[in-house]
Amino acid sequence: NAGVMQNPRHLVRRRGQEARLRCSPMKGHSHVYWYRQLPEEGLKFMVYLQKENIIDESGMPKERFSAEFPKEGPSILRIQQVVRGDSAAYFCASSPRTQSGEKLFFGSGTQLSVL
Amino acid sequence: DQQVKQNSPSLSVQEGRISILNCDYTNSMFDYFLWYKKYPAEGPTFLISISSIKDKNEDGRFTVFLNKSAKHLSLHIVPSQPGDSAVYFCAASGRNQGGKLIFGQGTELSVKP
Repeated sequence: NAGVMQNPRHLVRRRGQEARLRCSPMKGHSHVYWYRQLPEEGLKFMVYLQKENIIDESGMPKERFSAEFPKEGPSILRIQQVVRGDSAAYFCASSPRTQSGEKLFFGSGTQLSVL
Repeated sequence: DQQVKQNSPSLSVQEGRISILNCDYTNSMFDYFLWYKKYPAEGPTFLISISSIKDKNEDGRFTVFLNKSAKHLSLHIVPSQPGDSAVYFCAASGRNQGGKLIFGQGTELSVKP
């Protein structure tokens, strides 16, 4: 039973380019979360999605960032016109339910570096 | 506004001794607290959790204590092993917030043989 799969593991972009990060949740999990970890900081919630629906995007920057979880295929976190401050580790997590105290299963993350 | 704080960036402990990692929070509406462990170049993995209606939860070598009046929780690892060396994150979730976790900054634990 494969865990949460994220790709690519490392992504290098120049300022102004687009970054696309992919996440396939664990089998049987329909709830997907994206978190970002800046250097020397904890993980910060960005967005919570279910299939074809964005449930909570309160942690997403208002501009340049978008997320989707289509009916078929992985969840995508898209960052347009990247800037140096977007350099961070982006983690995806999934769960089978969304109740309080639910254990999340994290992927290994995508390290985004913006030159 | 840091709602979950881990004030010790690092902790060093001798193998076989107890490791105590601390976490403070400010929001009294949090109803679940979780600890995650993270190795370099990997994602966090769930370790143990506690509901706000309890004051202690134990799982093998790991015990989490919750003091609601002080808004403080701690993770005890005993005995500590070199393989426990990792970054430990405390996290909290509000009622009906499910997987929307508020993480602390993390404490890097080093267990020396």
